Amino acid sequence: GNSVTQMEGPVTLSEEAFLTINCTYTATGYPSLFWYVQYPGEGLQLLLKATKADDKGSNKGFEATYRKETTSFHLEKGSVQVSDSAVYFCALSDHNTGNQFYFGTGTSLTVIP
Amino acid sequence: EAGVVQSPRYKIIEKKQPVAFWCNPISGHNTLYWYRQNLGQGPELLIRYENEEAVDDSQLPKDRFSAERLKGVDSTLKIQPAELGDSAVYLCASSLDSQVLETQYFGPGTRLLVL
Repeated sequence: GNSVTQMEGPVTLSEEAFLTINCTYTATGYPSLFWYVQYPGEGLQLLLKATKADDKGSNKGFEATYRKETTSFHLEKGSVQVSDSAVYFCALSDHNTGNQFYFGTGTSLTVIP
Repeated sequence: EAGVVQSPRYKIIEKKQPVAFWCNPISGHNTLYWYRQNLGQGPELLIRYENEEAVDDSQLPKDRFSAERLKGVDSTLKIQPAELGDSAVYLCASSLDSQVLETQYFGPGTRLLVL
């Protein structure tokens, strides 16, 4: 079946630190991969996505590369800001199940000044 | 462009009471999803609509949950009767259609507390 595993949080970093949030997946087909972010009190927002192997998604300084060989889609940012404090969700969508999304459990990030 | 709208944002009810959530998707989006997000977990799909047809409701607890999307636009999710374990955030999302490249856009959710 399909599933997503994220590193557990919470993660606390100082401003300008390097961020990595690990995400691995299992899928029956060839999924698309996503990172969503949820700021306090708000809904899920798409952060970036990749639709095929070796694609790199990027947005707001965040990057993630679709690695089929390691079934991973790790999120990285070179220098985090306080405003990046949020919960980050890795997800996959499987066209075999009508674009059903499978989410990880989320990783809470707090960036301190 | 307006995003996905949900109401109410918060709801507190006693167990065994009914409750309903409303969702208005992004204009022109044919596919609508309802998810449940338990505390500390990722969202889990409850039901997916293609226009007015429920094409995937395999995760919907049909003994107490129901949903409708009568005109293929707005949707309502109902719980009757509510149980303590139903406390969660109920998220609505929409996409243009159900093709794999289509991004899902989420509403802010309805936070339900059952006492």
